[in-house]
Amino acid sequence: QLHLQESGPGLVKPSETLSLTCTVSGGSISDSKTYFWAWIRQPPGQGLEWVGSLYYSTNTYYNTSLKSRVTISTDTSQSQFSLKLSSVTAADTAVYFCARGLQYDGMDVWGQGTTVTVSS
Amino acid sequence: DIQLTQSPPSLSASVGDRVTITCHASHDIKNHLNWYQHKPGRVPLLLIYGASYLESGVPPRFSGRGSGTSFTFTINSLQPEDIATYYCQQSDDVPLFGGGTKVEIK
Repeated sequence: QLHLQESGPGLVKPSETLSLTCTVSGGSISDSKTYFWAWIRQPPGQGLEWVGSLYYSTNTYYNTSLKSRVTISTDTSQSQFSLKLSSVTAADTAVYFCARGLQYDGMDVWGQGTTVTVSS
Repeated sequence: DIQLTQSPPSLSASVGDRVTITCHASHDIKNHLNWYQHKPGRVPLLLIYGASYLESGVPPRFSGRGSGTSFTFTINSLQPEDIATYYCQQSDDVPLFGGGTKVEIK
């Protein structure tokens, strides 16, 4: 059974970099070319927002609205993928989820989510 | 980017009612459209993929249809446990979500 778990600081100061890690267990992060790995967030009182995705362990795609501040990378030896979001503001306060997706067929496995608050 | 317009933003219906949500894509996305259920404090749950295919373990009262730019999601016989926000999400391009539809019991 594939399991995803987010980890990282729950509080980040404005203008600093938000860093989160998603640890994948029960399966390999690099064992299939048809899966992608994604970060999604939900700001308080708002809907789900796709942040970015990682395909084939190397190809990354980012939400246009965040593109200049986002980096997603992978550490296959640790079965982890990570999110870095720079120059954060209060608008980046959200629950952040990591998820596995199957190309064309949606995201079928999600982490529990982690709340990140941007505040001084 | 392909944009998704989901409607209505919210709805209120009685137990046993049929509920329908629509999702319109700005470009042809074939059948690359998925639907999720998200309850407060819970993890989003994939219900429908490929516009009409029911994810394993999902009750058959949930269904989806459509192709191209126009899609619908239906709950036949709304149940109290169906109270949630439902999102469409396209997987033809980068996986953007629609704005969501909050479903409440009347």
